[in-house]
Amino acid sequence: NAGVMQNPRHLVRRRGQEARLRCSPMKGHSHVYWYRQLPEEGLKFMVYLQKENIIDESGMPKERFSAEFPKEGPSILRIQQVVRGDSAAYFCASSLAQGRLNTEAFFGQGTRLTVV
Amino acid sequence: QQQVKQSPQSLIVQKGGISIINCAYENTAFDYFPWYQQFPGKGPALLIAIRPDVSEKKEGRFTISFNKSAKQFSLHIMDSQPGDSATYFCAASRGSGTYKYIFGTGTRLKVLA
Repeated sequence: NAGVMQNPRHLVRRRGQEARLRCSPMKGHSHVYWYRQLPEEGLKFMVYLQKENIIDESGMPKERFSAEFPKEGPSILRIQQVVRGDSAAYFCASSLAQGRLNTEAFFGQGTRLTVV
Repeated sequence: QQQVKQSPQSLIVQKGGISIINCAYENTAFDYFPWYQQFPGKGPALLIAIRPDVSEKKEGRFTISFNKSAKQFSLHIMDSQPGDSATYFCAASRGSGTYKYIFGTGTRLKVLA
């Protein structure tokens, strides 16, 4: 059973370009969470999605950032017109359900975005 | 009020020693406190977690101590090994069934052989 798969692992973009980060949750998981980790900092929640729905995007910048989790295919975090400050590691986590009693969230290995 | 403060920032321990990492929170609505372990280039992995109705939880060499009145919790790694060298993050969340964690800033642990 493969874990949470994120690709690409490393992404380099020039300022003003678009970055698309993909996350395939663990098999059977329908809840996806995106976090951002700046250098030497903890992870910061960005957005929580279920299939075809954004449940909580309170941690996501209002401009340039968007996320989706379609019925088929991976979850996508999209950053338009990237700036140097977007350089960070972006982690995706998935869970089987929303409760914690019988499940937990598993993190992927992250995508390290570098904006040059 | 949403912050989780973690200390120390870095820690060096001799093999066989005890590693202690502390976290403090302000929001009394938090009801779930996990610890994550992260190796370089990898994603965080859940190590151990505790709820505020319990003062201590032990799993193998890892123990969480929880002080509800002081709003503090700590991770103790007994008999620390070089393989434990990693970055450790505490976190907190509130409400049932949410993974909207507030993470601490991390502690970089190095265990000397």
